[in-house]
Amino acid sequence: DAKTTQPPSMDCAEGRAANLPCNHSTISGNEYVYWYRQIHSQGPQYIIHGLKNNETNEMASLIITEDRKSSTLILPHATLRDTAVYYCIVRPYLNTGNQFYFGTGTSLTVIP
Amino acid sequence: NAGVMQNPRHLVRRRGQEARLRCSPVKGHSHVYWYRQLPEEGLKFMVYLQKENIIDESGMPKERFSAEFPKEGPSILRIQQVVRGDSAAYFCASSLGQGDEQFFGPGTRLTVL
Repeated sequence: DAKTTQPPSMDCAEGRAANLPCNHSTISGNEYVYWYRQIHSQGPQYIIHGLKNNETNEMASLIITEDRKSSTLILPHATLRDTAVYYCIVRPYLNTGNQFYFGTGTSLTVIP
Repeated sequence: NAGVMQNPRHLVRRRGQEARLRCSPVKGHSHVYWYRQLPEEGLKFMVYLQKENIIDESGMPKERFSAEFPKEGPSILRIQQVVRGDSAAYFCASSLGQGDEQFFGPGTRLTVL
C-alpha cells in the first residue's frame, strides 16, 4: 500500500531541471515524505526526506505543498546518470514496522 | 566506510534446493530489512529485524522463507525448496535507528531453474 501517486514516466533534457511530482493526498500528520531512486538493477539510493518544510541537500530539493498533499522532487541540473526510477514514499518517522512501501515510481529518462 | 554488503550477488538454484542470502549491514547499524523485487515490479517489503529479533515479518511468505539476524555475523534470508516463482532480486537495507533512512545493498539475484 504505497499511498502515493506518481506519473509512470518522464523525460528531461540533460542540464535542465527535472521536476518529479508526487501526490499523497491521504498523508497523516506524522508521516514524512521520502524519495529514493533505483538506477537500473542496483539497490535503491536514498535521496532526501521532509515533513513539511522544503528541504535541500547536495543531490536534490524537496518542495512540499502547504497542505502536504503533494510534493515535488527537483534535480537542479539533470545528468545522464540521473536516469533511474524515482520512488516517493510516505511513512511515519517512527513506524513499528519501519519498512518502506515502494510503489511503481516514475521512470526518469535524461536525454542528451 | 563500507556500505551494505550482500552475497552472493548472483545465485542459481534448481527447484527444490535451498537458497541462503547474506547481508552485512553498515557498520554500527542494528536494523536490517529485506525486500524482494520481482522482474519489472517495484520492491516489496519482506521482513524487518533488529539484532536477534524479528520485528515485522508481515511481508514474508508463511512457508519456506525465514530470516535471522544473529548477535554476531550477517543477516541471513533462507528460502527452502525454491520454486521458479522465487526468482527475483533480493535487497537488504540497514538503518542506524528506527526511523532513520535505510541504506540498501546491491542485491542478490536469485535464479531458479
